[in-house]
Amino acid sequence: GQQVMQIPQYQHVQEGEDFTTYCNSSTTLSNIQWYKQRPGGHPVFLIQLVKSGEVKKQKRLTFQFGEAKKNSSLHITATQTTDVGTYFCAGRDSNYQLIWGAGTKLIIKP
Amino acid sequence: NAGVTQTPKFQVLKTGQSMTLQCAQDMNHNSMYWYRQDPGMGLRLIYYSASEGTTDKGEVPNGYNVSRLNKREFSLRLESAAPSQTSVYFCASRGYGGDTEAFFGQGTRLTVV
Repeated sequence: GQQVMQIPQYQHVQEGEDFTTYCNSSTTLSNIQWYKQRPGGHPVFLIQLVKSGEVKKQKRLTFQFGEAKKNSSLHITATQTTDVGTYFCAGRDSNYQLIWGAGTKLIIKP
Repeated sequence: NAGVTQTPKFQVLKTGQSMTLQCAQDMNHNSMYWYRQDPGMGLRLIYYSASEGTTDKGEVPNGYNVSRLNKREFSLRLESAAPSQTSVYFCASRGYGGDTEAFFGQGTRLTVV
């Protein structure tokens, strides 16, 4: 079946460093969504990308959707302690269901 | 706006006991979902309901049953709990169409001893 692979599983950064997580699909996606889950919390929607090659920004967060609509990335510039959490991508399949990546946990080193 | 409400927030069960996790949404969404999340892992779909009156198995349905009681409510039942079902359970809902975001409940932290 359709799969969405997300890497890395964990990333440790010093505060102020950049962070990137990548999602790759075995098939073309209709769209891709990104969610953030704070420690002990629930996933919260961040953004949706629909168009091939689309780039969207939210302050220090930059989201990209690949030209072939099979991959996506989330880049955080100059991480802050408030960025700590797990970031999930979710691609929409042909049955309108979301296929979730396993998530990347962002850990800020003290 | 309450969004998606799950009860209970915490539960400890003994092996073999049964329980029902309740979920209700007030956003008039058609689709509702139950996920489990194990430590350090992603979300695994247990069951979903694309619309009132329909339910379908997800990736890990064994040991669970669901009921879409009405458009608002979607419950998850564990008939005979096992330690392997220790997890955090999330209910989620989405509106009609393929481009809608998922809204999650606060989660139920279940421990089976």
